[in-house]
Amino acid sequence: EVQLVESGGGLVNPGGSLRLSCAASGFTFSNAWLSWVRQAPGKGPEWVGRIRSKADGGTTDYAAPVKGRFTISRDDSKNTLYLQMNSLKTEDTAVYYCTHYIYSSGWKWGQGTLVTVSS
Amino acid sequence: ENVLTQSPGTLSLSPGERATLSCRASQSVSSSFLAWYQQKPGQAPRLLIYGASSRATGIPDRFSGSGSGTDFTLTISRLEPEDFAVYYCQQYGSSPYTFGPGTKVDIK
Repeated sequence: EVQLVESGGGLVNPGGSLRLSCAASGFTFSNAWLSWVRQAPGKGPEWVGRIRSKADGGTTDYAAPVKGRFTISRDDSKNTLYLQMNSLKTEDTAVYYCTHYIYSSGWKWGQGTLVTVSS
Repeated sequence: ENVLTQSPGTLSLSPGERATLSCRASQSVSSSFLAWYQQKPGQAPRLLIYGASSRATGIPDRFSGSGSGTDFTLTISRLEPEDFAVYYCQQYGSSPYTFGPGTKVDIK
């Protein structure tokens, strides 16, 4: 069974940094393309970015609002996905989800971790 | 960026009625990589449909998805009380993946 477990959320001041982690199991992590999605309070989901597998180059894509501030990385030896968030703004306040697409069964989401950017 | 538009914004219906939700993309969605989610207050989005028409595991067959290209539809054949919620579409055929603004299905 696919499991995605996010951690690392919390309260941070505007301009601060935070690193989220997503521990994965139940699939071949090293072959997987993985994404982060966020949802601000009272808003719809918003895609943050993705990372390809190392076999497919390991490259990343980002949504415009986070490009240049957020960095997605992976550690295939630990089956863990990361989201490094720098220069945080109040509008980055959201629940952040780790997601993975499986062709035979669709999108899998973690339970999410809350990030609050406030002074 | 492939912008998704959902209509109507709100759909007011009674239990037992049929619900038809629309999702229109500004560009063709590659390989019908279109998903539908249901979300209730305080919960994470729940995947209903992927690949435009494949039901996710455990989803009742009253939910069905159809469409291709730029026009997609989620149909709930007979609304049950637990179906009143917000529904989002998402395209994942091209980066950046994008979500629609949602359709709220509420009780008439």
